[in-house]
Amino acid sequence: GAVVSQHPSRVICKSGTSVKIECRSLDFQATTMFWYRQFPKQSLMLMATSNEGSKATYEQGVEKDKFLINHASLTLSTLTVTSAHPEDSSFYICSARVRGGTNEKLFFGSGTQLSVL
Amino acid sequence: GENVEQHPSTLSVQEGDSAVIKCTYSDSASNYFPWYKQELGKRPQLIIDIRSNVGEKKDQRIAVTLNKTAKHFSLHITETQPEDSAVYFCAASSNFGNEKLTFGTGTRLTIIP
Repeated sequence: GAVVSQHPSRVICKSGTSVKIECRSLDFQATTMFWYRQFPKQSLMLMATSNEGSKATYEQGVEKDKFLINHASLTLSTLTVTSAHPEDSSFYICSARVRGGTNEKLFFGSGTQLSVL
Repeated sequence: GENVEQHPSTLSVQEGDSAVIKCTYSDSASNYFPWYKQELGKRPQLIIDIRSNVGEKKDQRIAVTLNKTAKHFSLHITETQPEDSAVYFCAASSNFGNEKLTFGTGTRLTIIP
């Protein structure tokens, strides 16, 4: 299947700092990427849909000024958590959509565990 | 929007027995239903999916059934093995997966040796 690379895998930062997470599609072009947030023992909650070359579409309740998404190329989307606070600590995971002939539609990155002290 | 409910939240099964996880969805426009397996700290992995034009799909020990009328679908794992222990998520999407996925709340499956 398609490969989605996500970095870093783990981040520990101080409160008030900003953290950038990268999501790359390695062997295909991803016109659409999704960013999810997952709290311990809970489901994946969609935060935003990122389309290459256009503004991201945020889900209800997600602050677009806090979670900045940039999808400047067909292989890279970034999520920046600005002025992070302890309540932002979570597992963030991206996914990229593959269109066309394959049955499998969505490929996930390996996730980023963010801990804000 | 779509709402997906999943039951049970936890499930313990003796090795070799079968496990069944059930999901219901609310949006009649949904027509693509994948199941993901997620091990601790790892990415979700697609294990099987089904489209609304079929009622059942099987892949070795794993099968999924879909009842469009009742808006529910189920995952069946037979002859369970310890490596089946993980969290399983169902999901639903419209446009045969070309729209965003809405995930269920997850089921933590534990296989007892």
